This record gives sequence, C-alpha cells and structure tokens, in this order.
Amino acid sequence: DIVLTQSPATLSMSPGETATLSCRASQSVNSHLAWYQQKSGQSPRLLIYDASIRATGIPARFSGSGSGTDFTLTISSLEPEDFAVYYCQQRTNWPRTFGQGTKVEIK
Amino acid sequence: EVQLLESGGDLVQPGGSLRLSCAASGFTFSTYTMSWVRQVPGKGLEWISAISASGHSTYFADSVKGRFTMSRDNSKSIVYLQMNSLRAEDTAVYYCAKDLRTNIVVWYFDLWGRGTLVTVSS
Repeated sequence: DIVLTQSPATLSMSPGETATLSCRASQSVNSHLAWYQQKSGQSPRLLIYDASIRATGIPARFSGSGSGTDFTLTISSLEPEDFAVYYCQQRTNWPRTFGQGTKVEIK
Repeated sequence: EVQLLESGGDLVQPGGSLRLSCAASGFTFSTYTMSWVRQVPGKGLEWISAISASGHSTYFADSVKGRFTMSRDNSKSIVYLQMNSLRAEDTAVYYCAKDLRTNIVVWYFDLWGRGTLVTVSS
C-alpha cells in the first residue's frame, strides 16, 4: 500500500495567515493526488485533485502543488471557515489511501 | 438537490451482518462509480470498496475483502454495502461517495453522504 504521511499533525494559525500543509507519499503517485477538507461533524469535501486543480466552487485561496512523492496544500489568508482537518488521497495504486490528516486550528 | 443519503447503520454483535444503503439524487447515478469510505470516530479516512457504474465490477480493500460485498440498483439510484462477519475494528462511520467523473473513473470523490454509524460490540 502507498502510505501518505501528512505533516504537521496540527497547525496553529491565526485568521489571515497562510497555511502550508505537506503530504509525502511512500512511492511516486505522479500527480494523482487529491486534498479534502473535513469540518467537525461534517463529511469530507473535495478541494483539489490531480495535485493542483481546484474542484468546482473551491475558492482561489486554496492551491495545490507537487508531483511524485511530495505535495503541498496552501491556504492563503485563512478564513474562519478554513479551520478544519485536511486529508490527502492518492489514486495511483490499490488500495486508494488517505493520509492521516492535518488539523488546522485557531491559534 | 444533489445528495447522497446513507442508512442502515446500527449496533451489531461481532460475527453479525448488516446491510448499508446509500440513496442518490440530483445526478445521473447510473453513470458514476460509487465508493464506500469509512472513518473511525476521531480518526482518519479509509477507502474500503467501490462499484463500477454498470455494477459489473467491484473493488475492495484487503481489510474487508471476502467479508463485504457491494451492489447497486441503478433503477432506484441506490448502492448497497453488505457487511458480514463483522469485527470490532469495523466500527466506524460509513460514507458513500461519488466519483468525480462520469463514465471515466478517476477515483476522486466529489460528493459524500453524511455517513451512517456502524458499531460492532457485544
């Protein structure tokens, strides 16, 4: 299985700051990586797919980059509604796997 | 409204069985691959199974292979997860999720239900 390791586990930020989240794959996933946001008590929401393409309706402050084994989700100018847990997910190999998540919390 | 609605979650004893349902609305259900993803409360996400748009192909994670089956009724826009030989480690919220693309499977999930809780305990 491809293991996705997200760091940091928790990111303490203030509104208006820029958050940088990392996802590292145990082997190359090319650009076949997605990012999801999950707010407390809600189901996940697709933010980014194919490493850098924003899903429909996702604000431009969310951006993704990377390829191979190292990926980054950047949230520019954090809004209050952005404080949540973020997961990466790969679709290259079976089984499809998710990272363990990064919690972005209010400092 | 475009939505997925899961049902069927319950408390079940180890070794027992349960069938989850996921009713879809607001999109052309029969053209999308559907998946089940589970989440232990407070923990991460685990993809466990999928079924092709036609229903002819199914896919399972090793953790559930041989115990879970998946089916769909495109006439009713419902997908099912039959869970047998349940174990304590199957305790989780079970989400159904829709593939991002129609007809061509890309294995990204752009629509999720609210989930249904399965608790396996004696």
